[in-house]
Amino acid sequence: DAGVIQSPRHEVTEMGQEVTLRCKPISGHDYLFWYRQTMMRGLELLIYFNNNVPIDDSGMPEDRFSAKMPNASFSTLKIQPSEPRDSAVYFCASRPGTLMGYTFGSGTRLTVV
Amino acid sequence: DQQVKQNSPSLSVQEGRISILNCDYTNSMFDYFLWYKKYPAEGPTFLISISSIKDKNEDGRFTVFLNKSAKHLSLHIVPSQPGDSAVYFCAASFAGNNRKLIWGLGTSLAVNP
Repeated sequence: DAGVIQSPRHEVTEMGQEVTLRCKPISGHDYLFWYRQTMMRGLELLIYFNNNVPIDDSGMPEDRFSAKMPNASFSTLKIQPSEPRDSAVYFCASRPGTLMGYTFGSGTRLTVV
Repeated sequence: DQQVKQNSPSLSVQEGRISILNCDYTNSMFDYFLWYKKYPAEGPTFLISISSIKDKNEDGRFTVFLNKSAKHLSLHIVPSQPGDSAVYFCAASFAGNNRKLIWGLGTSLAVNP
């Protein structure tokens, strides 16, 4: 298995632009998570899905952030409009029913200038 | 409010010696704990876990100890190797929060040759 695949690896965009981050979870994993990592706050859970349905989006910072999971093999995290304070590394993770298989992607480093 | 705390941002150890990484938690409902390792430009990878019904779990050079009364767990690496240099994250969960992982801020371990 190729693991959790995220794209792009790096994204540099101007303030006000729309940014879309993509994730392909491991096949057969029922849960998908979006995290944001910053030096000050560490790993923050933004939202997670179970069987493609959003379960908890309480970590989404503002209405500028939205996430979708149209099918079991694809999810997007969109920021519109982007701001410099959104600069961070965004990780996608997936897992099966148990916690043991919790697997992260390599992350997308977002820089908003 | 940090429910999972890793109070040492960094640790430096000589190759061959023991590395001890500490983690404290405040929520007595947590019943499952995990350690993840993260190299630069990669996502965190699962290292070892422990259930609250145990006080020790061992996997090769890695051992996790859990002291429920003190709400404290530790990761021991013996012997430490330069390849162990990474950021180590402690995470905890319980059934009542849908098994969301609550993360510490991480400890950066440097193993010197």
